[in-house]
Parts: sequence; C-alpha cells; structure tokens
Amino acid sequence: AQSVAQPEDQVNVAEGNPLTVKCTYSVSGNPYLFWYVQYPNRGLQFLLKYITGDNLVKGSYGFEAEFNKSQTSFHLKKPSALVSDSALYFCAVRDLYSSASKIIFGSGTRLSIRP
Amino acid sequence: EPEVTQTPSHQVTQMGQEVILRCVPISNHLYFYWYRQILGQKVEFLVSFYNNEISEKSEIFDDQFSVERPDGSNFTLKIRSTKLEDSAMYFCASRGDTQYFGPGTRLTVL
Repeated sequence: AQSVAQPEDQVNVAEGNPLTVKCTYSVSGNPYLFWYVQYPNRGLQFLLKYITGDNLVKGSYGFEAEFNKSQTSFHLKKPSALVSDSALYFCAVRDLYSSASKIIFGSGTRLSIRP
Repeated sequence: EPEVTQTPSHQVTQMGQEVILRCVPISNHLYFYWYRQILGQKVEFLVSFYNNEISEKSEIFDDQFSVERPDGSNFTLKIRSTKLEDSAMYFCASRGDTQYFGPGTRLTVL
C-alpha cells in the first residue's frame, strides 16, 4: 500500500529562522508527491508537487521541497519563516493504483511560528 | 486564479436527516472528488467522478452516500440519513494536472 508519514505532529520555529517539515513516503514505483497547507477556515491549498525532474521543487509562498529517493523523503522547507506561515501542513502522494489518481494524505504537521 | 467553491460553509443537521453538500469545480477540469476529514484525523478519500459516473469509491462511501453533477457546473454529495459519525469537514476537489481543493463544508450532525 502507498502511504506518506509525517513524524512530527507539531513544529515550532522562531520567525526569521529556517523551517523544515518532514515527510517520508512508501510507494512502489515512481512517486507523485504533494504538499498542501490548511489555514483556519481556508480549506486545503496546493503548495507544490514533485513528479519528475529536478529534486528541488519550488512552490507558493517561498516554500520548497527536496525529493530524496535514497531516503524516501520529501521534506518541506523555507529559508526564513513568517508568523503567517503558521498552519497545518499535509504531505500527500498520488495513489498509483487508483484509476482516478486519488490522493493519500499524511496525518499533518502543525507549524507554529513565534514572533 | 480559478478555484473550487463549496456551499454551505457550515451545515448543522439532526441525525437521520438528508443533507446535500454543493461544490462548483474549476470549469475545465474533468475529474471531481469528495474527501472528508473527521476532526483530528487524516483527510480521507470518499469518491471520484468522471464522465458523469463514479470512477472510484472508498469503503466509507456506502449506500447512504451519492454524488451527482446535476447541471454541468455543480457537483453534489448527498447523505441520505445522517449519522453522528458523519460529522466532519467535507472537501470537494477537481483535477486538471493537479488536484485543487475547495474550502470545505463543516457538517455537524446532532
């Protein structure tokens, strides 16, 4: 079965510091990986995706993610955190066995940026 | 930028009542989805819809659930007889090259 794991329920970072939100995947075949963010009352917003090509993927709001095949990881990063980055972040993978390409989500990591 | 919209944002209903959750997908997308998120839990796939029929559904999507695209723009999820455990945030999504999600409908069953 395909899955993603987010080992941290919560990540706390001071504003201006770099942030990393961790994600590892378990997929048979080439993974299609995503990051979504959920702000309060705003639903799930697409941040970025990896399908193929460059291992460093750049997305919205200054976020980027690095695909690492040997470590089966897809960590989300940002060089300098903002208080407004505080939200719930979901790593996700496209189900390659799904005829409709449904998405399988991780459990989410709550990111808290303190001023 | 086009986006998926959902109405209502919050629905409160009594157990056993029928509810209809509405979504307007992005206009040139062909695949539509419903997911749900029970409070404190993962976002879970419910059903996908393509070419006016269900293309895939999860074990959660039992006979109490149905989906419809009644008029070429709206995409609805109906729960015929709500249970307490149906209380959740329901997300609609549509897909072009990427799945985009709506803001969700919070369903509370009393």
